[in-house]
Amino acid sequence: QSALTQPASVSGSPGQSITISCTGTSSDVGGYNYVSWYQQHPGKAPKLMIYDVSNRPSGVSNRFSGSKSANTASLTISGLQAEDEADYYCSSYTSSTTPYVFGTGTKVTVL
Amino acid sequence: EVQLLESGGGLVQPGGSLRLSCAASGFTFSIYSMNWVRQAPGTGLEWVSYISSSSSTIYYADSVKGRFTISRDNAKNSLYLQMNSLRAEDTAVYYCARDITRSYGMDVWGQGTTVTVSS
Repeated sequence: QSALTQPASVSGSPGQSITISCTGTSSDVGGYNYVSWYQQHPGKAPKLMIYDVSNRPSGVSNRFSGSKSANTASLTISGLQAEDEADYYCSSYTSSTTPYVFGTGTKVTVL
Repeated sequence: EVQLLESGGGLVQPGGSLRLSCAASGFTFSIYSMNWVRQAPGTGLEWVSYISSSSSTIYYADSVKGRFTISRDNAKNSLYLQMNSLRAEDTAVYYCARDITRSYGMDVWGQGTTVTVSS
């Protein structure tokens, strides 16, 4: 199972909006509405930000939103803040022999 | 407070074995599926293994199949990962993570335990 493809880095200025893409196949991202997104600060454990493509867990800012079109999912961060600077990973359920596949990861830099 | 706490990491020689534990608290452990996810130094997340709430369904990544064994003890609120025939490429921080109820994704993560395979 190959990793989902994400851009290595995305940057934006405070207050701007940025979008991170996550591209898979019809066997994972395109085939199921089970895409999740995780935020990871250096030296910390990942934190769930979005699940089931567009649902936010309790406590996650509504500045974070998710969507999907065909085999590509997206995470949008609006009103970018310094605290959003972190690594972001997508993940999807997959119909292969293993239930999960992660994305390659995207480093978000707040300029 | 919902919490997962990993332990058991350390330095081990290639070919050696290690057993990781994950202690759950603050929720009904027995009704949740669980996962192990690892992160090698400077790299991304890699899903390692999954176990259903009753241990009836188990999956492994191809990279660890035949060498790692996931298990759980619901009476002790604990998840385990027995790692045998360890290789240098198994060096990573290992996280245990709780599966989302009635969906796919991981909503609670431990702080991680570091495994280093080196001679």
